[in-house]
Amino acid sequence: DIQLTQSPSSLSASVGDGVTITCRASQNIGSHLNWYQQTPGKAPKLLIFTASGLQSGVPPRFSGSGSGTDYTLTISSLQPEDFATYYCQQSDSTPYTFGQGTQVEIK
Amino acid sequence: EAQLVESGGALVQPGASLKLSCAASGFSFSGSAIHWVRQASGKGLEWVGRIRSRVQSYATAYAASVNGRFTISRDDSKNMAYLQMNSLKPEDTAVYYCTRHSGGLDYWGEGSLVTVSS
Repeated sequence: DIQLTQSPSSLSASVGDGVTITCRASQNIGSHLNWYQQTPGKAPKLLIFTASGLQSGVPPRFSGSGSGTDYTLTISSLQPEDFATYYCQQSDSTPYTFGQGTQVEIK
Repeated sequence: EAQLVESGGALVQPGASLKLSCAASGFSFSGSAIHWVRQASGKGLEWVGRIRSRVQSYATAYAASVNGRFTISRDDSKNMAYLQMNSLKPEDTAVYYCTRHSGGLDYWGEGSLVTVSS
């Protein structure tokens, strides 16, 4: 199975800050990497598909990059509604594993 | 508007069986792969399994933790997907989401709570 390791596990930031979350796969997943945002009590929301594709309706302050085994989610300027937990997920091969999550908290 | 609605969650004893349903509307269900993802309270997301479309022979795949105990099926005539869970264990306690895969997992239900406890 492909393992995904996210870092950091949590971070504190202020409104307006830029933040970066990384996701490393245990093997090459050919850009089949997706990012999700989840707030408490809600279903996850797809932000980025196939490493860098911005899902319809998602603000452009969210961006994704990477290839091979290393991927990044960047939020250019944090907004109050962005404080949430973020997960990466690989869809290269089953089982479609998730990273352990990164909690973004208000500083 | 696309919508997925799970139902069937309950409190059951270890060893019991339970079947979750997922009702879809607002998108081409028959052409979509449907996945199930679960989340234990306070924990991260865990992929459970998926069923592909008829064109892809309704192929299924499962996480090792549920393989042999859980079965995913679908009825395209009813726009429904199902998760049959047998030999349930306390560690299967979670909110279960059905979700559609198109690029990523783009449509999600609100989840159905399954509690396995004596």
